Amino acid sequence: DTGVSQDPRHKITKRGQNVTFRCDPISEHNRLYWYRQTLGQGPEFLTYFQNEAQLEKSRLLSDRFSAERPKGSFSTLEIQRTEQGDSAMYLCASSSSPDNYEQYFGPGTRLTVT
Amino acid sequence: LAKTTQPISMDSYEGQEVNITCSHNNIATNDYITWYQQFPSQGPRFIIQGYKTKVTNEVASLFIPADRKSSTLSLPRVSLSDTAVYYCLVGDSPRGNNRLAFGKGNQVVVIP
Repeated sequence: DTGVSQDPRHKITKRGQNVTFRCDPISEHNRLYWYRQTLGQGPEFLTYFQNEAQLEKSRLLSDRFSAERPKGSFSTLEIQRTEQGDSAMYLCASSSSPDNYEQYFGPGTRLTVT
Repeated sequence: LAKTTQPISMDSYEGQEVNITCSHNNIATNDYITWYQQFPSQGPRFIIQGYKTKVTNEVASLFIPADRKSSTLSLPRVSLSDTAVYYCLVGDSPRGNNRLAFGKGNQVVVIP
């Protein structure tokens, strides 16, 4: 078990460009979550997958954001036409049990939009 | 989801027991209390979860009074490496999507 991994760890992009992040959850975990964290704040929920199905999206997830989890394994989060306000840490988490709130987080991808 | 209130920050000396409090006055009957720890530039890490009375694991203890309007996370004999932000979360009974709702957390600094 190598834990949750995210790639890249850091991304600097210019405003208006598209970016894509990848998350590889713990292999047997069927639940996958994306969160966003800005400086001084706790993580905010963006979206949730159970296997390949995207079951919930936050209002924070504007139409410029899209997430996928093909085949219920890794997941990608794409941001189109990035804005400076998108600068944040994007965290992925996975879990296997529906019985508790224990989620395993990756190290995050820090996005800077210039 | 019930809102939580935590002190913004606190200091503690190395080797002491640290008690971190959280207020959740509007907690609902089905809500569980969960605590996470986050180090700089890392994702949060689950510490402990409870519903009532006392829960203990190898890392911490969680004390929940009978009215459940508050909770206390207790860390025994902290070290410098316990310096982190600690988040208290309250959520509905599991078996939903179990998404986490973090507040700003409590920055705990352990002093030598």
